[in-house]
Amino acid sequence: KAGVTQTPRYLIKTRGQQVTLSCSPISGHRSVSWYQQTPGQGLQFLFEYFSETQRNKGNFPGRFSGRQFSNSRSEMNVSTLELGDSALYLCASSLSSDTQYFGPGTRLTVL
Amino acid sequence: QKEVEQDPGPLSVPEGAIVSLNCTYSNSAFQYFMWYRQYSRKGPELLMYTYSSGNKEDGRFTAQVDKSSKYISLFIRDSQPSDSATYLCAMGTTGGGNKLTFGTGTQLKVEL
Repeated sequence: KAGVTQTPRYLIKTRGQQVTLSCSPISGHRSVSWYQQTPGQGLQFLFEYFSETQRNKGNFPGRFSGRQFSNSRSEMNVSTLELGDSALYLCASSLSSDTQYFGPGTRLTVL
Repeated sequence: QKEVEQDPGPLSVPEGAIVSLNCTYSNSAFQYFMWYRQYSRKGPELLMYTYSSGNKEDGRFTAQVDKSSKYISLFIRDSQPSDSATYLCAMGTTGGGNKLTFGTGTQLKVEL
């Protein structure tokens, strides 16, 4: 069974731009969660989507948004990028409320 | 104070040693507990998952949960250089979907 895939793997943007990251969950998994990982803060929960609905949200500003499609694939968008948004963005998939399996991440650098 | 506290290390041990990694937490609502391993520039890999207090064993790994003390541990027996990685504890509550709260991770190095 294929694992969680994330695209792109690496991304360089400049301040003020916006970015969209993509995540394809494990086949059959309906829950997709997004996390931000930085050296200073560790892994922090952004939001979770289940059956195309946002089910949970972390404490991030409204510049961070997401959506989920009918095939469970999910996208995350960050608008008006700031230097502090440089991080590894991880996507995790789950059947329901269950163990989460992570993808390799997208490393975003904001210049 | 963070909800989950984890010693960041680094922790350096000789090959074959028993490694003990620990996390404490303050939120009594946490009901399930996980340990992930993360190699450099990779996503976290699930190692252990448990709901209840007590021990759970899987090969060289043993996860221990003490809910009364709000303390969880991961033991690695016969440690190998390939175990060198960052180990993350994570925990969540049931009934509210998937939202994991992570420790900051402990960096482990197993030396030959």
